Amino acid sequence: DADVTQTPRNRITKTGKRIMLECSQTKGHDRMYWYRQDPGLGLRLIYYSFDVKDINKGEISDGYSVSRQAQAKFSLSLESAIPNQTALYFCATSETSGGVYSTDTQYFGPGTRLTVL
Amino acid sequence: ELKVEQNPLFLSMQEGKNYTIYCNYSTTSDRLYWYRQDPGKSLESLFVLLSNGAVKQEGRLMASLDTKARLSTLHITAAVHDLSATYFCAVGETSGSRLTFGEGTQLTVNP
Repeated sequence: DADVTQTPRNRITKTGKRIMLECSQTKGHDRMYWYRQDPGLGLRLIYYSFDVKDINKGEISDGYSVSRQAQAKFSLSLESAIPNQTALYFCATSETSGGVYSTDTQYFGPGTRLTVL
Repeated sequence: ELKVEQNPLFLSMQEGKNYTIYCNYSTTSDRLYWYRQDPGKSLESLFVLLSNGAVKQEGRLMASLDTKARLSTLHITAAVHDLSATYFCAVGETSGSRLTFGEGTQLTVNP
């Protein structure tokens, strides 16, 4: 079974609708992240969480909100979807940094392809 | 603000040839990552480089890091079709594990 799962994998919605993307992980990691990927722009960080009580804005948080329901679950919400939020969304996880020699590698889920009409 | 730039963004090469992808970044960092993404798929971790002069190799891919020049390279030796994918470099903040990604290099290896 996959260590990082995302639901749904594909979603088509209309402008103005509220939508939630969910991420679950079985890796036991404390840190979780949400990114969006647009062609030619790489991945950009939306929100991140270092533990259940810690939520931080990333580079492009406007129009998004998140909820960390448990160590293993991190949800991304679009309160009122707009067409320029059409993108591929990735959840990622990493261990708590162990210091200078810790790799802090992030492990990515399969992605959710979201289309806003 | 940390900026990460890759070049080239598109690379078409023949099997058996060698080539290098470059990743420049704008501020000090102590870790550099290379990921691979196949079309329609997720990102797969290839290398983590933690110190100046670090070199990692896996098969036909070799990554290196020069922190003084703020430059990492991904060298491809004797390319094969299976290496066709998009390659991303990402730079980690020194104060935590936030990553800033480059735009990605789309590599196509032709027979």
